[in-house]
Amino acid sequence: EIVLTQSPGTLSLSPGERATLSCRASQSVNTYLAWYQQRPGQAPRLLMYDASKRATGIPARFSGSGSGTDFTLTISSLEPEDSAVYYCQQRINSWTFGQGTKVEIK
Amino acid sequence: EGQLLESGGNLVQPGGSLRLSCAASGITFSDYGMAWVRQAQGKGLEWVSAINATGTKTYYPAPVKGRFTISRDNSKNTLYLQMNSLRVEDTALYYCAKETGHMGPFDIWGQGTMVTVSS
Repeated sequence: EIVLTQSPGTLSLSPGERATLSCRASQSVNTYLAWYQQRPGQAPRLLMYDASKRATGIPARFSGSGSGTDFTLTISSLEPEDSAVYYCQQRINSWTFGQGTKVEIK
Repeated sequence: EGQLLESGGNLVQPGGSLRLSCAASGITFSDYGMAWVRQAQGKGLEWVSAINATGTKTYYPAPVKGRFTISRDNSKNTLYLQMNSLRVEDTALYYCAKETGHMGPFDIWGQGTMVTVSS
């Protein structure tokens, strides 16, 4: 099983600041990595897929990068509505999720 | 845009069975693989099963293999999850989700149905 480890556990930033979230895989997943956003009380929403492609309707302030075992989700300028838990997911060998990073807006 | 609506969640005793359903609308259901993902209260996401578009291939992680069975009826645009030998640790909100393509990420999610396993 491929294990995804996300860091940090929690990120507390102010509106307008840049958020950088990390996801590390226990073995290479090529670029078969997705990111999801889950706001409180809501279902997850697909943000990015294939490491760097934005899903439909996702604002340009979200970007993804990486390949192999190290990936990054960047939110260039935080908005209040970005307060959520963010999960990475690999799909090269079935599917597994990381444990999540909580982004808090001060 | 497509929608998914789960149903069938309930309180069940350990060792019991339950069948979840997921009704799809607004998508060509038979074109896409589908999956179930669960989330225990306050915890992260855990993939629990997937099925290809035609229903001929199914996938399970170790914790549920042999106990859960995913299936689909493309004539009814409905996905199912039969859960047997339920354990306390199966307690969670169960989401159904649509794959973007074969073994793809999940681009449409339902709102979930709650399964509670307790005596």
